[in-house]
Amino acid sequence: EAGVTQSPTHLIKTRGQQATLRCSPISGHTSVYWYQQALGLGLQFLLWYDEGEERNRGNFPPRFSGRQFPNYSSELNVNALELEDSALYLCASSLGDPYNEQFFGPGTRLTVL
Amino acid sequence: GQQVMQIPQYQHVQEGEDFTTYCNSSTTLSNIQWYKQRPGGHPVFLIQLVKSGEVKKQKRLTFQFGEAKKNSSLHITATQTTDVGTYFCAPDTGTASKLTFGTGTRLQVTL
Repeated sequence: EAGVTQSPTHLIKTRGQQATLRCSPISGHTSVYWYQQALGLGLQFLLWYDEGEERNRGNFPPRFSGRQFPNYSSELNVNALELEDSALYLCASSLGDPYNEQFFGPGTRLTVL
Repeated sequence: GQQVMQIPQYQHVQEGEDFTTYCNSSTTLSNIQWYKQRPGGHPVFLIQLVKSGEVKKQKRLTFQFGEAKKNSSLHITATQTTDVGTYFCAPDTGTASKLTFGTGTRLQVTL
């Protein structure tokens, strides 16, 4: 069974640009979560999508947004990039709600110059 | 709001020594999950604890959930270099509709 996949692996952008990160969940999982992990720091919850709807978002500005497609894949968009947005962005999927086991993808390393 | 403290932030042990990380909440939890993230890797689910006072074992790892369901611990017996990584607790208060991760404990094991 294929795990959670994310693309691209690495992304380099400059300040003010937009970044789009993609995630494909495990087959059968309807919930997708996005987390930000800055270097040496913990996991900060960004967004939760389930059945195409945004169910919850963390304490991030509106320039962090995303969507979930009918096939349950998801993309995270970050507008007006700032230097402090440089981080590892992890996507996870689960069956149903956040309190079931979450399966993480390998992440996208975003570097903002 | 709910605060989750995970201690210690970092521990360096010699192979064969024991290791314990603690996760403490200011509020009662519905359940708690534990994850491990190897250096350069992504978090991997270890276990979920649900019942008050629950103790679960996975080989050399012992997980406990406090009687009051406000704290939890992960104990590793006789650490090995393969145990290196950051251990995160992820407590569920039942109200936040999201999984909040603790700050993590980074374990370094040397020969």
